[in-house]
Amino acid sequence: QSALTQPASVSGSPGQSITISCTGTSSDVGGYNYVSWYQHHPGKAPKLMIYDVSYRSSGVSNRFSGSKSGNTASLTISGLQAEDEADYYCNSYTSSSIYVFGTGTKVTVV
Amino acid sequence: QVQLQQWGAGLLKSSETLSLTCAVYGGSFSGYYWSWIRQPPGKGLEWIGEINHTGYTNYNPSLKSRVTISVDTSKNQFSLKVTSVTAADTAVYYCARVGSGYLNRWGQGTLVTVSS
Repeated sequence: QSALTQPASVSGSPGQSITISCTGTSSDVGGYNYVSWYQHHPGKAPKLMIYDVSYRSSGVSNRFSGSKSGNTASLTISGLQAEDEADYYCNSYTSSSIYVFGTGTKVTVV
Repeated sequence: QVQLQQWGAGLLKSSETLSLTCAVYGGSFSGYYWSWIRQPPGKGLEWIGEINHTGYTNYNPSLKSRVTISVDTSKNQFSLKVTSVTAADTAVYYCARVGSGYLNRWGQGTLVTVSS
């Protein structure tokens, strides 16, 4: 099972919107609505941001939103803030009854 | 509020067996799957496997031959063993609770270093 494909890095200015893509196949992202997104600050445990493609986890800002089209899922961060600078990973359930993570995207607020 | 606390040996030599345990405090234990994830230095997250309270497991095929996840329902704990470790197994290891297709509670992480 290959890792889902994410851009290595995405950057934006404060207040802007950015979108991170997560591309898989019909056996994972495209086949199930079990796509989730995690924010990971170095030295801390990852934090669930989005689950089931588009549902925000409890306490997560409404600046974070998720969507999916075909085999590609997306995470959009609107009104970018300095605190959003972190690594972001997508994750999907697969037809092999296992989970696979994306390659990870470093978000930089410039 | 459910909390996951993990522990285990942090320094191993090549060919030894990695052993980590995760204890679950608060909330239901039998109602969920429980998972292990790792992150090698400078690399991304890798899903290792999961187990439920009956002992039913699913493993990442890339690690399946060396990995065993077990459960102790009397203590609300689950464990990870990885045999014949090499430097490639050096990573921060996390335990996590599996919701319906997502990981919604995580342990604090344990750095495991394998030296030659």
